[in-house]
Amino acid sequence: GEDVEQSLFLSVREGDSSVINCTYTDSSSTYLYWYKQEPGAGLQLLTYIFSNMDMKQDQRLTVLLNKKDKHLSLRIADTQTGDSAIYFCAESITGGGNKLTFGTGTQLKVEL
Amino acid sequence: NAGVTQTPKFQVLKTGQSMTLQCAQDMNHEYMSWYRQDPGMGLRLIHYSVGAGITDQGEVPNGYNVSRSTTEDFPLRLLSAAPSQTSVYFCASSSPGGPGYGYTFGSGTRLTVV
Repeated sequence: GEDVEQSLFLSVREGDSSVINCTYTDSSSTYLYWYKQEPGAGLQLLTYIFSNMDMKQDQRLTVLLNKKDKHLSLRIADTQTGDSAIYFCAESITGGGNKLTFGTGTQLKVEL
Repeated sequence: NAGVTQTPKFQVLKTGQSMTLQCAQDMNHEYMSWYRQDPGMGLRLIHYSVGAGITDQGEVPNGYNVSRSTTEDFPLRLLSAAPSQTSVYFCASSSPGGPGYGYTFGSGTRLTVV
């Protein structure tokens, strides 16, 4: 079955790097995503990685995928107060109507 | 370009009442979905559609109905509201040809059932 797990909270200081971790159980996942949710808002797609990739970098964001351990991480370099939000990882499987299975979300708090 | 529009933004219902949450997208996306978000549980899929006239159940479909008569609209109906349906509801749409097939989300409907 599909199950995606994340730690609930992460606190970092402004300027430090943040690393948000996610584990999933479905080895047939095609794409893995990171979404950001700010208070009172919907989910914003931050980045994604195809399952045959190990790493993807997009400006301050670095996604690492370890397929053997079914572990996904999101690193945010030079974390800013505007990065404070809930971050969700999600997986989808080809042919499933693009259905997404979400993790529980990690609340990132950036302190001055 | 409005993206995904959900109405209403807030709603309070009494137990047993029915209502429809509206969702419309203007991106000509084939895929649309409804999720509910509850604290500590992430988002869970209620129903989804891969095109007009085609719908299917997700993880938590009980107590909800959907229909997809047009590409643009995907309303979610609560048949007889229960306190367990108090949640934030998100509609999302996607194109199968889009980058990474990621969904575009609406801003949500916050529903309280008393």
